[in-house]
Amino acid sequence: DAKTTQPPSMDCAEGRAANLPCNHSTISGNEYVYWYRQIHSQGPQYIIHGLKNNETNEMASLIITEDRKSSTLILPHATLRDTAVYYCIVRANAGNNRKLIWGLGTSLAVNP
Amino acid sequence: GAGVSQTPSNKVTEKGKYVELRCDPISGHTALYWYRQSLGQGPEFLIYFQGTGAADDSGLPNDRFFAVRPEGSVSTLKIQRTERGDSAMYLCASSPRQGAFEQFFGPGTRLTVL
Repeated sequence: DAKTTQPPSMDCAEGRAANLPCNHSTISGNEYVYWYRQIHSQGPQYIIHGLKNNETNEMASLIITEDRKSSTLILPHATLRDTAVYYCIVRANAGNNRKLIWGLGTSLAVNP
Repeated sequence: GAGVSQTPSNKVTEKGKYVELRCDPISGHTALYWYRQSLGQGPEFLIYFQGTGAADDSGLPNDRFFAVRPEGSVSTLKIQRTERGDSAMYLCASSPRQGAFEQFFGPGTRLTVL
């Protein structure tokens, strides 16, 4: 079973920030938080990952709480092309355990 | 550069038939993953290759499913005696090495079993 909990759907106005929450209260010390997204009829796309520090790249920012039990993915200026299902996944990056365990994700609708 | 490619993009078959789904990973990527995704669900892990060997096949649902990667690049997912419940999107992903964080996904093969 997935180790994360996400709201099933969210809406965001185009040009505004989209803040997608994720709960991972049972995360272990060696597990990273990953975010992927899947645009309709396409394969998933990696967005960002983090361990305990906040991270930022050209796509998004990841804010992880100090106790690491939850995180938020921030799309600073959402566009219509950001409409997708967003998946939050936790996984250790060691040994042969490389598989990603996916939940149902959050379906983000960016509206004009 | 070229991304992960999967062929065919769509496959329609009849119950009981054998199918093969192909994945061409990004050149030089040593890790390769197969997932399947039913409508409205997240992807479900099937098998992971590191080089030519299957490092984790714990997600294969039963012995009708088999995957190979004989030369450490292209992989084939083989499904024998297909059942209607096998209908799904089959996704392949690759990573440059075992410790890489990012998995690069292909567009998937939509399998429909009639």
